[in-house]
Amino acid sequence: GEDVEQSLFLSVREGDSSVINCTYTDSSSTYLYWYKQEPGAGLQLLTYIFSNMDMKQDQRLTVLLNKKDKHLSLRIADTQTGDSAIYFCAEAKYRDDKIIFGKGTRLHILP
Amino acid sequence: SAVISQKPSRDICQRGTSLTIQCQVDSQVTMMFWYRQQPGQSLTLIATANQGSEATYESGFVIDKFPISRPNLTFSTLTVSNMSPEDSSIYLCSVQGARVDTQYFGPGTRLTVL
Repeated sequence: GEDVEQSLFLSVREGDSSVINCTYTDSSSTYLYWYKQEPGAGLQLLTYIFSNMDMKQDQRLTVLLNKKDKHLSLRIADTQTGDSAIYFCAEAKYRDDKIIFGKGTRLHILP
Repeated sequence: SAVISQKPSRDICQRGTSLTIQCQVDSQVTMMFWYRQQPGQSLTLIATANQGSEATYESGFVIDKFPISRPNLTFSTLTVSNMSPEDSSIYLCSVQGARVDTQYFGPGTRLTVL
């Protein structure tokens, strides 16, 4: 079946790195996404990775994929107060397929 | 980039009534999606709205409860019919852009059913 799991909460000190982890069950997933949802706003696609990639870096964001373990992580370097949000891991089999979301990880930034 | 608006942004409704949520995109898109985000839960796809044909519903969702219209390539509506408190959720409209990194979501409609 399709399932995406992630921890619900993460607290990080400002300036430290945040690492949000996610596991998924569908080995045929081709697209793996990270979305950000700020309070009162819609979802924003942060980054994505194809299943044939191990890593993707985009400025402060690093995505690591371990396809064997079906484990995806999002690292945010130099975490800022503006990074406070809910981060959703998601997967899809192909580009126009339905996207299966995790429950989201609420990132709390400590001063 | 596509800009998506939804109306209403929030509503409080009585049990047994229906609410229609509108989704407007500022550019023509082929596929539009409706999601539900229940409190403390992940987003769940309700249906895919196709222009010129009936919507495609996911398991657990039926047309009688969530009728969808898609009259053109920039607009769609989702109706939540005969509401109960269990329908209290955020409902989000989403569109797939031309590239894989262009999935856009609307701001959501927060529905509370009393």
